[in-house]
Amino acid sequence: EVQLVESGGGLVQPGGSLRLSCAASGFTFNTYVMSWVRQAPGKGLEWVSSMSGSGDTPYYADSVKGRFTISRDNSKNTLFLQMNSLRAEDTAIYYCARKKSSREYCFDSWGQGTLVTVSS
Amino acid sequence: EIVLTQSPGTLSLSPGERATLSCRASQSVSGSYLVWYQQKPGQAPRLLVYGTSSRATGIPDRFSGSGSGTDFTLTISRLEPEDFAVYYCQQYGSSYTFGQGTKLEIK
Repeated sequence: EVQLVESGGGLVQPGGSLRLSCAASGFTFNTYVMSWVRQAPGKGLEWVSSMSGSGDTPYYADSVKGRFTISRDNSKNTLFLQMNSLRAEDTAIYYCARKKSSREYCFDSWGQGTLVTVSS
Repeated sequence: EIVLTQSPGTLSLSPGERATLSCRASQSVSGSYLVWYQQKPGQAPRLLVYGTSSRATGIPDRFSGSGSGTDFTLTISRLEPEDFAVYYCQQYGSSYTFGQGTKLEIK
């Protein structure tokens, strides 16, 4: 069974930093592109970032480019999101999600999410 | 960036009825990359349909997807109580974008 478990969320002041983690199990982690998708309170979904299976090719939404860094440790089956220069509009539940396959550009497994609140 | 607009914003129907949800793109989307998710309160989204019309694993056949170009539809043939939720469409062009969602509520 595929499991994705996020952690690291919390309350942070504007301009601060936070590092999210996503522990994966139940599949061959290094063969899948992994992503972060966020959802502001009461709002829709927004793709944030993706990382190739090998960990050498990151992708970012324009809204986070230059502030967020995605990475992965395939030896520990873990995905990370380093978030710097946080803004109030970054407040959201952050989901870790698995890209379905090399041909299918969608997310077939999701974690339960971790809440990030940016507020003074 | 391709913008997806879903309609209606809220759909009020009764169990047993047929639901038709629309997703319109600001420019043509490859049918291979149009996707639908279901999200219930307090839960993560769940993949329903990918590649416009392929049901994900474990999704009942009352859910069907169709469309091409800029107009796509998710149809639920006979609503079950557990189908009342928010539905999102998503596309992939140079990046992923989602529609704003359609809330399907019990009438």
